[in-house]
Amino acid sequence: EVQLLESGGDLVQPGGSLRLSCSASGFSFSNYAMSWVRQAPGKGLEWVSAISGGGGSTYYADSVKGRFTISRDNSKNTLYLQMNSLRAEDTAVYYCAKALTPGTTTTFDYWGQGTLVTVSS
Amino acid sequence: EIVLTQSPATLSLSPGERATLSCRASQSVSSYLTWYQQKPGQAPRLLIYDASNRASDIPGRFSGGGSGTDFTLTISSLEPEDFAVYYCQQRSNWPLTFGGGTKVEIK
Repeated sequence: EVQLLESGGDLVQPGGSLRLSCSASGFSFSNYAMSWVRQAPGKGLEWVSAISGGGGSTYYADSVKGRFTISRDNSKNTLYLQMNSLRAEDTAVYYCAKALTPGTTTTFDYWGQGTLVTVSS
Repeated sequence: EIVLTQSPATLSLSPGERATLSCRASQSVSSYLTWYQQKPGQAPRLLIYDASNRASDIPGRFSGGGSGTDFTLTISSLEPEDFAVYYCQQRSNWPLTFGGGTKVEIK
């Protein structure tokens, strides 16, 4: 059974940093691209970042480019999102999501339960 | 960036009725259009990928159609568990983008 478990969400001040983790199990992690998708309270879904299975290719939304860094440790079956220079508008539930098929990055068949990041003073 | 516009924002229907949801892209996305369902407090669930392919374990009452810029998600006969918010997402171009969602509510 595929399982994705996010952690690391917290209350942080504007300008601060946070690292999210997503622990994966139930599939061959290194074969699948992964993404982070966020949802502000009461709002819709916003794709944040993606990374290929091997980690060699990364993609970012313009809203986070230069501030967020996606990475993965395939030996630990874990996905990360390093978030720096956080802003109030980054407040959201952050989901990690698995790509549907190996070799693709962009359709998500499994999602974690989400972790809440709140940016406020 | 490709903008996806979903309509209507809210659809009020009764169980057993047919639901037709629309997603329009600001430029062609070929058939690279995905539909998700989200219930309150839950993560999204994959329904339809590449415009018309049902994901695993998705009931046959869900169907998707369209190509280019105009897409539809049809629920042939609403079940009580289908009342939720539905999002479309394109994977034709980076950045990936989602539509604003359509809420299907009980009339």
